[in-house]
Amino acid sequence: GESVGLHLPTLSVQEGDNSIINCAYSNSASDYFIWYKQESGKGPQFIIDIRSNMDKRQGQRVTVLLNKTVKHLSLQIAATQPGDSAVYFCAENWKGGSEKLVFGKGTKLTVNP
Amino acid sequence: GAVVSQHPSRVICKSGTSVKIECRSLDFQATTMFWYRQFPKKSLMLMATSNEGSKATYEQGVEKDKFLINHASLTLSTLTVTSAHPEDSSFYICSARAGNTGELFFGEGSRLTVL
Repeated sequence: GESVGLHLPTLSVQEGDNSIINCAYSNSASDYFIWYKQESGKGPQFIIDIRSNMDKRQGQRVTVLLNKTVKHLSLQIAATQPGDSAVYFCAENWKGGSEKLVFGKGTKLTVNP
Repeated sequence: GAVVSQHPSRVICKSGTSVKIECRSLDFQATTMFWYRQFPKKSLMLMATSNEGSKATYEQGVEKDKFLINHASLTLSTLTVTSAHPEDSSFYICSARAGNTGELFFGEGSRLTVL
């Protein structure tokens, strides 16, 4: 079954606001986490990743935070734009018998102009 | 950047027929490819892991005889949905792991509709 979940299925924000999307994971052996953006009818698009030996990583307008103590991951999007509207998934690199990427349930972000 | 191509992007078939979906890594060699399926408003569910030259590893609950996976070369993996039924209608997405860097790239998905 899924080991990665999200707290909020939908998130609606105003253009220009900051967005925070949360994710919980349960596999303490996972060593790598990725956030993906998926637009309707398309494949996942890589946003940002973080390894388990880091707490924070910043990209352009995006920041990922990792709290291994509570097994929590978050994606922060600064100055959210209408083009950011999509479904966002966190994924963890599951290290068990074989290495594979397991996806969370997804959060639909809607940015209102 | 690296590109993973899926073909066809959309396919409609009759119940009982088989459909093949191709996943190609266009500018890199993929030692491992993954196949996911995604139902509307749901997440991506891993179906199987495909390693070049060996049998695919299927996730629990995925029928091997129903979803045939072949990874015959370092740039091509195929998923064949055999004896398709309406409940097999879904969005099928592949990803490919570059052998030299380990990076993972996703295709644009193939939407299967079984009538």
